[in-house]
Amino acid sequence: DAGVIQSPRHEVTEMGQEVTLRCKPISGHNSLFWYRQTMMRGLELLIYFNNNVPIDDSGMPEDRFSAKMPNASFSTLKIQPSEPRDSAVYFCASSSSPGNQPQHFGDGTRLSIL
Amino acid sequence: TQLLEQSPQFLSIQEGENLTVYCNSSSVFSSLQWYRQEPGEGPVLLVTVVTGGEVKKLKRLTFQFGDARKDSSLHITAAQPGDTGLYLCAGDNNQGGKLIFGQGTELSVKP
Repeated sequence: DAGVIQSPRHEVTEMGQEVTLRCKPISGHNSLFWYRQTMMRGLELLIYFNNNVPIDDSGMPEDRFSAKMPNASFSTLKIQPSEPRDSAVYFCASSSSPGNQPQHFGDGTRLSIL
Repeated sequence: TQLLEQSPQFLSIQEGENLTVYCNSSSVFSSLQWYRQEPGEGPVLLVTVVTGGEVKKLKRLTFQFGDARKDSSLHITAAQPGDTGLYLCAGDNNQGGKLIFGQGTELSVKP
């Protein structure tokens, strides 16, 4: 079975540019999570969706960050405009019905903003 | 804000040694999960503990959930180089599947 699929795997761009990260969750999973991982701050939850509806976006750093989930099989995380401090590895994870269920992570997008 | 404190942050040991990683919080969790992450990959679930005092074994790995469900430990016996990686604990506090992650323990096992 296919796991969580993220694209691109690597992104290098100049500050000020728009960045769009993509995620395809595991089929049948109804919860989707976006995380950011850095050495300094570890793994931080940015936003999560249940049944395509954003539930908690309190981890989104600022208005430059936005996330959408137009259907059960696709989500995007957008940064506009990007800044060097946004450089990190961004992970998408999905899980089945909430409550004691493991989260299945993609392999992440390594983002570098120059 | 709920926090999970992991210790130690870094651990470098020789093959064959034993080690314990701790995960502590002042909050109660309905369950706690342990993940392992290798470079260039996402975290992968190792185990979920649900009941206070529960002990689970996965080959050379032993996981324990504290009686009060506020803390957990991971013990590795006779560590091997293949155990090298980042170990993360994550607590579930019944917020719609949202997990609170610890900072992680970076383990290096040298042959």
